[in-house]
Amino acid sequence: AIQMTQSPSALSASVGDRVTITCRASQAIRNDLGWYQQKPGKAPKLLIYAASRLQSGVPSRFSGSGSGTDFTLTISSLQPEDFATYYCLQDYNYPYTFGQGTKLEIK
Amino acid sequence: QVQLVESGGGVVQPGRSLTVSCAASGFTFSSYAMHWVRQAPGKGLEWVALISNDESNQHYADSVKGRFTISRDNSKDTLYLQMNSLRAEDTAVYYCARAGWLAWGQGTLVTVSS
Repeated sequence: AIQMTQSPSALSASVGDRVTITCRASQAIRNDLGWYQQKPGKAPKLLIYAASRLQSGVPSRFSGSGSGTDFTLTISSLQPEDFATYYCLQDYNYPYTFGQGTKLEIK
Repeated sequence: QVQLVESGGGVVQPGRSLTVSCAASGFTFSSYAMHWVRQAPGKGLEWVALISNDESNQHYADSVKGRFTISRDNSKDTLYLQMNSLRAEDTAVYYCARAGWLAWGQGTLVTVSS
């Protein structure tokens, strides 16, 4: 199975900060990667698909990049509602695999 | 509106079986593949299984292969996950999700404990 290594596992930041989260795949996955936001007690929400395509309705401060094995999620200017846990997911082949998650906390 | 509602969770003893369900509405269920994803308490997300729209293909995580079976009844707009030989490490909230990842249920908690 493809391993997705996500970093950092936790991140403290302030409103207005720019933050970057990375995912590295154990083998090339083209651009078959999505980014998800999850808040406590809620189901995940799709933010980015195909590595860099912004899902409709998601604020433009979220962006994704990468291809092959290295991917990033960037939030350009953190808002209070962005404090949550973020996951990457490869859907290149089965079994699909998530990264371990990044908990974004208020500094 | 698109809605997915899981049910059937509960407490089950190790080694026993349980089936959870996901009732779909607001879209043409038979046109979409469906996933199960789980999340152990305080832990990250784990993809569990997928079934194609016409049931012709199923795929599983290595951790559940041979113990879990994903199925669907398109006449009832319902997705199932039959879980056999349950282990403590299967304790989790189980979410169903539509292919494309834009629709998720609220989750149902399965606790495996004696």
